[in-house]
Amino acid sequence: AQKVTQAQTEISVVEKEDVTLDCVYETRDTTYYLFWYKQPPSGELVFLIRRNSFDEQNEISGRYSWNFQKSTSSFNFTITASQVVDSAVYFCALNGQNFVFGPGTRLSVLP
Amino acid sequence: GAVVSQHPSRVICKSGTSVKIECRSLDFQATTMFWYRQFPKQSLMLMATSNEGSKATYEQGVEKDKFLINHASLTLSTLTVTSAHPEDSSFYICSARASWDSPRAFFGQGTRLTVV
Repeated sequence: AQKVTQAQTEISVVEKEDVTLDCVYETRDTTYYLFWYKQPPSGELVFLIRRNSFDEQNEISGRYSWNFQKSTSSFNFTITASQVVDSAVYFCALNGQNFVFGPGTRLSVLP
Repeated sequence: GAVVSQHPSRVICKSGTSVKIECRSLDFQATTMFWYRQFPKQSLMLMATSNEGSKATYEQGVEKDKFLINHASLTLSTLTVTSAHPEDSSFYICSARASWDSPRAFFGQGTRLTVV
């Protein structure tokens, strides 16, 4: 069975603060992919990153960074110097046998 | 990058009528398409998986006679909500992959259905 858990339902931060969104996954597949998507109020899903299970190299892209720890089945996402435009729901997803989404974390960045 | 177009983006219909939602892959052939449903403040729940030229596979609890899925070509899948009721009001999103095991899925813009 596959499962994605995002323990943080809602997070509020003040602009310019750093924020980390947690994601823990379960899968029996040896090969799988992990994703982060952003869903702004418009509803459209915005792809942020994909990481395969063999690549534990962490990545930084602008204000975004990701920490993939296979040993703890975690794939956390950090926004540095958050901005109001970062306010959205963020979904962690797992693609093994099926494509499974986590419950989402609603991030509110206050001015 | 690959683009998936979903139409309409919003639709309001009367209770008892049927609504068709289209999902098109614009620049690649989508062997597999997925349909998701999202209630307010909830996650995306997979409704069904469709492979071109074959019947869709529905997730447990999804009524296949109510949510008709057709994937007649490699670039088009449709979801028809038949005899819609207010409880069918939701956000529906499609996604497409080039093959069943392709790691990347491309998502449509979503359709907000309101049944009055």
